[in-house]
Amino acid sequence: SQELEQSPQSLIVQEGKNLTINCTSSKTLYGLYWYKQKYGEGLIFLMMLQKGGEEKSHEKITAKLDEKKQQSSLHITASQPSHAGIYLCGADGQGAQKLVFGQGTRLTINP
Amino acid sequence: DADVTQTPRNRITKTGKRIMLECSQTKGHDRMYWYRQDPGLGLRLIYYSFDVKDINKGEISDGYSVSRQAQAKFSLSLESAIPNQTALYFCATSDSGQGRVKQFFGPGTRLTVL
Repeated sequence: SQELEQSPQSLIVQEGKNLTINCTSSKTLYGLYWYKQKYGEGLIFLMMLQKGGEEKSHEKITAKLDEKKQQSSLHITASQPSHAGIYLCGADGQGAQKLVFGQGTRLTINP
Repeated sequence: DADVTQTPRNRITKTGKRIMLECSQTKGHDRMYWYRQDPGLGLRLIYYSFDVKDINKGEISDGYSVSRQAQAKFSLSLESAIPNQTALYFCATSDSGQGRVKQFFGPGTRLTVL
């Protein structure tokens, strides 16, 4: 079965700094999803990547899919307190509709 | 109004009690899912349903059962709750369209089993 490993598990950055979160899969990535969770709340969809080399951006968040490396990265530019939360990557297999999730990365932004 | 709702939002119960968590959606999606979240373990799939007559076990179904009462409703039951079922439970829905479709999550139910 597919497993996703996120790194780092926890990250503390100063407001205004850039940061990157990685998600590495044990198998080929066909669909990769990034979600954000505020502490104790539901998951908010951020982006979905489907093709190797694909890159998507939303406001100050950019996600990339490196199919060869079976890895996706989430990059936040000029971090703000509103970026704080838990970021989770999820992946579905070829033709599948079930998601497997990474363990999450807890992001703290210090003012 | 929220598209995916869960009730209750918080529940404290005792070992051995039967508990039902409910999920309703107004998105018109055919597919519904139940996950649990534990610290450091991400989300793990408990059960999923691709339509009203379709129920499938997920990664960690032991100790749980589900009921799909209608397209919009999917309930999760713990027949005899135990402390290691203390977790944050999420319901999710997705469309049944071709290709990859994102899942929409409810706000979660925090369950504590004493």
